[in-house]
Amino acid sequence: KQEVTQIPAALSVPEGENLVLNCSFTDSAIYNLQWFRQDPGKGLTSLLLIQSSQREQTSGRLNASLDKSSGRSTLYIAASQPGDSATYLCAVSSGTYKYIFGTGTRLKVLA
Amino acid sequence: GAGVSQSPSNKVTEKGKDVELRCDPISGHTALYWYRQSLGQGLEFLIYFQGNSAPDKSGLPSDRFSAERTGGSVSTLTIQRTQQEDSAVYLCASSEDSYSPGYTFGSGTRLTVV
Repeated sequence: KQEVTQIPAALSVPEGENLVLNCSFTDSAIYNLQWFRQDPGKGLTSLLLIQSSQREQTSGRLNASLDKSSGRSTLYIAASQPGDSATYLCAVSSGTYKYIFGTGTRLKVLA
Repeated sequence: GAGVSQSPSNKVTEKGKDVELRCDPISGHTALYWYRQSLGQGLEFLIYFQGNSAPDKSGLPSDRFSAERTGGSVSTLTIQRTQQEDSAVYLCASSEDSYSPGYTFGSGTRLTVV
């Protein structure tokens, strides 16, 4: 049974810092991995999608990497801003439609 | 519509009452998903629709939970005889089809059972 773990559970950093969020999963036979952002009282917004054949994806200040063999993904946020404060969720799918989510990392960027 | 719409945004109900949660997906999206997010826990898959049929209902926690989708569009999640452990945020998402990995989520319905 696939399990997804995210470390740390919460993180507080000063504005401008580069930071790394970690995600690990127990079954390396994944179809794809997504990183989502969730703001309080809002739904989830997809940030980056990495297909199983890919090693990384980049969007602006965000870079996500995938190492299937070790069951790990990282989300790198460069030059963090207060607007980046949110909960970041990692999700993996072993098939075409169902995702297994981690419990998230709650990020606070201090001005 | 432009996004996935869920209603109500908040629902407080008494234990034992039935509730209906509604999801209106993006127009043209054939796949629709319901997830539940309990306090301090990750999102938990409930059910998946492709068109009007539900090939995977494996996440529904008990027979008090049911869902339907009509016209390949709006979906309703019904919880009968609500219990306090049903309190959670219920999130709906849609995608172009089941092979499209990109979900669009709604803002969710926060259900509180008192």
